[in-house]
Amino acid sequence: ETGVTQSPTHLIKTRGQQVTLRCSSQSGHNTVSWYQQALGQGPQFIFQYYREEENGRGNFPPRFSGLQFPNYSSELNVNALELDDSALYLCASSKGYTNTGELFFGEGSRLTVL
Amino acid sequence: GNSVTQMEGPVTLSEEAFLTINCTYTATGYPSLFWYVQYPGEGLQLLLKATKADDKGSNKGFEATYRKETTSFHLEKGSVQVSDSAVYFCALSDQTAGNKLTFGGGTRVLVKP
Repeated sequence: ETGVTQSPTHLIKTRGQQVTLRCSSQSGHNTVSWYQQALGQGPQFIFQYYREEENGRGNFPPRFSGLQFPNYSSELNVNALELDDSALYLCASSKGYTNTGELFFGEGSRLTVL
Repeated sequence: GNSVTQMEGPVTLSEEAFLTINCTYTATGYPSLFWYVQYPGEGLQLLLKATKADDKGSNKGFEATYRKETTSFHLEKGSVQVSDSAVYFCALSDQTAGNKLTFGGGTRVLVKP
């Protein structure tokens, strides 16, 4: 069983640039969630995708957007990067979107904005 | 809104010591409660969960009991090992939010031989 994989693992951008992060969900999982984890803090929910549609969003501005593909993989796009966007971005997959709380996380993509 | 507060670390222990990590929450309705663990170099993984009041979640020697009256979900282990060194996160999800988890800030635990 293949786990959740994310790419790239590390990247550096400058303010104002755009970034795309990618996630392959665990085999058999149809729901993908994205979280932002600032250094020394807990993860914060960005949004969730189910059947290629956004299905729940946290308190993040519209410049954070996403996609889910028919194979359930997903992308997180962030436009007009700001210094505060520097964080570890975590992707998590699950079977369905109901309240089980059992998410399977990838190791994350660490974004540094200079 | 929902929130989770857990004790700040780092917590440094010797092997075979007793571990407690406090977690309290604020939520509307009847949330489910979780402990996730992040071992060095690995992704977050679910350690245990409890879905209703008085439920006890347990796994790998860790236990936590859902206490509605004190809005708490403290994590305990009777005898820690060096391999338990990790960052522990308390989290909740409510019935209206699908799989959205609200996490605490994390507690780093270091177990020394």
